[in-house]
Amino acid sequence: DAMVIQNPRYQVTQFGKPVTLSCSQTLNHNVMYWYQQKSSQAPKLLFHYYDKDFNNEADTPDNFQSRRPNTSFCFLDIRSPGLGDAAMYLCATRDRGRQPQHFGDGTRLSIL
Amino acid sequence: GENVEQHPSTLSVQEGDSAVIKCTYSDSASNYFPWYKQELGKGPQLIIDIRSNVGEKKDQRIAVTLNKTAKHFSLHITETQPEDSAVYFCAASRTDRGSTLGRLYFGRGTQLTVWP
Repeated sequence: DAMVIQNPRYQVTQFGKPVTLSCSQTLNHNVMYWYQQKSSQAPKLLFHYYDKDFNNEADTPDNFQSRRPNTSFCFLDIRSPGLGDAAMYLCATRDRGRQPQHFGDGTRLSIL
Repeated sequence: GENVEQHPSTLSVQEGDSAVIKCTYSDSASNYFPWYKQELGKGPQLIIDIRSNVGEKKDQRIAVTLNKTAKHFSLHITETQPEDSAVYFCAASRTDRGSTLGRLYFGRGTQLTVWP
């Protein structure tokens, strides 16, 4: 059974048109992560939540925002997607004080 | 910060042969080392992990070894099968207190192809 669920699996948006990706988890984990993964590269951390505390990576563009309304859900908002934002976006969770991180199957974002 | 190097970037083996992927890390405070397998169109899935108080761990055909002194760890897959074909990522992490607890530093990945 999927424990970290990302919707949709594939998302197509237009250049400059805002888009939201969602992640839900059934693990009740405190920590949630968003990664960007481009072709043939390792996942790159964008930001993470430790409970409700938001932690942004220094090099994450301002174009990327996130919301975590409750423990189970987390959203990635891209305000004005550019062609360079086309990528796989991965959500992961982890229980506080424990390892490992558990990944969802990602959302493949395409920009037209 | 931590820097993880992974080699080789591609690896082709015949079915039944063994495959070895090697990683080095820079931060001696790293104490947790997972390996993830990523199939095409899917997210990374943990296949094995090791903590710094252990030198070797095995799970069926998969084993990981860790040399803390040299700061390197390796993934060993024996009796490879075509379904082992995927991208494998090593990672390093620190499991001490703080909001950065558990952050993963990934290697660049190894594309493993197992030929039937």
